[in-house]
Amino acid sequence: DAKTTQPPSMDCAEGRAANLPCNHSTISGNEYVYWYRQIHSQGPQYIIHGLKNNETNEMASLIITEDRKSSTLILPHATLRDTAVYYCIVRANNYGQNFVFGPGTRLSVLP
Amino acid sequence: SAVISQKPSRDICQRGTSLTIQCQVDSQVTMMFWYRQQPGQSLTLIATANQGSEATYESGFVIDKFPISRPNLTFSTLTVSNMSPEDSSIYLCSVPTGKGSYEQYFGPGTRLTVT
Repeated sequence: DAKTTQPPSMDCAEGRAANLPCNHSTISGNEYVYWYRQIHSQGPQYIIHGLKNNETNEMASLIITEDRKSSTLILPHATLRDTAVYYCIVRANNYGQNFVFGPGTRLSVLP
Repeated sequence: SAVISQKPSRDICQRGTSLTIQCQVDSQVTMMFWYRQQPGQSLTLIATANQGSEATYESGFVIDKFPISRPNLTFSTLTVSNMSPEDSSIYLCSVPTGKGSYEQYFGPGTRLTVT
């Protein structure tokens, strides 16, 4: 079973920041938080991951709480192309470890 | 990042037949994963395919139904055998990056419809 809890759906206005929450209260010390998204009819796309520090890349920012029991993915200026299902996954950082996908959050960016 | 292609991109098949899905990666990788995504559902791992050894199947998936080949480090096939409408899904392959953070990259998927 997936180890994360996400809201099933969210709306965001185009140009505004999209903040997607994720709860992972049973996360282990060696587990990272990964975020993927799946745009309709495409394969999942890697967004970002982190262990305990906040992370930022060209796509998004990841904010992890100090106790690591929850995190937030931030898309700073959402566009219509960011409409997708976003998956938060916790996983040990091992080469052979697969990803266990939960139902994710369906983000709709509205014009 | 790895570039992954899958063939076919989609197919419509009759029940009782079999379909072989190909996954090609632009770099050598030790492990490849095959996932299934049923309509409106999330992804479920079918099996892990290592080059030079038998694939490892997850609970609920068996080799007779989903035989996998892994002839080299850049290629794998998944066959969906004796298909029924319940096999209608998107089938995706993925590979780990092998660069320390081990995120996975996914192919575009094969959309299978069984009639």
